[in-house]
Amino acid sequence: DAGVTQSPTHLIKTRGQQVTLRCSPKSGHDTVSWYQQALGQGPQFIFQYYEEEERQRGNFPDRFSGHQFPNYSSELNVNALLLGDSALYLCASSPDRGGGEKLFFGSGTQLSVL
Amino acid sequence: AQSVAQPEDQVNVAEGNPLTVKCTYSVSGNPYLFWYVQYPNRGLQFLLKYITGDNLVKGSYGFEAEFNKSQTSFHLKKPSALVSDSALYFCAVRGWAGKSTFGDGTTLTVKP
Repeated sequence: DAGVTQSPTHLIKTRGQQVTLRCSPKSGHDTVSWYQQALGQGPQFIFQYYEEEERQRGNFPDRFSGHQFPNYSSELNVNALLLGDSALYLCASSPDRGGGEKLFFGSGTQLSVL
Repeated sequence: AQSVAQPEDQVNVAEGNPLTVKCTYSVSGNPYLFWYVQYPNRGLQFLLKYITGDNLVKGSYGFEAEFNKSQTSFHLKKPSALVSDSALYFCAVRGWAGKSTFGDGTTLTVKP
């Protein structure tokens, strides 16, 4: 049983460009959340998707957007990249969007913005 | 708003000694509390959680955590540390709707 898979593993972009990151949740999971982890910090919640809709959003600008597909996979899009967007982007899935469920994380996409 | 504080950036212990990694939290309502571990260049792995019930929660790899409602703390513990326990540990609080807030992490180093 594959866990959470993310692609690509590494990405280098320049300021102003746009990027799309992809995530496939663990089998049987319908809820996907995205997190940004800057160097030396804990993961920061970007948003959560459930039933193909954004259900909750953290304190991130509209440049960060996402999508969930009918097979529960998800994409994170970041427009007009800034140097400060350089971070590890983590996708997490759970079988339910409720608070009591643990999260299963992918290994992340390391984004470097030059 | 919910928040988590991990007051120690680094914890150093000798192998075989007990370890404690501290965490305090703030959340409205009943807390859902979690500990995760992160190894280099990897995502986070679940260790244990507190939802309700017994204040001492047992988890993976011999770890346990003690929930203290009056002190709003959820400290991670292990009776006897192993070198292989060396990693980055995150405490998290999750709201009823599913948003998780993480602390900034504590680097645990276990020396032989």
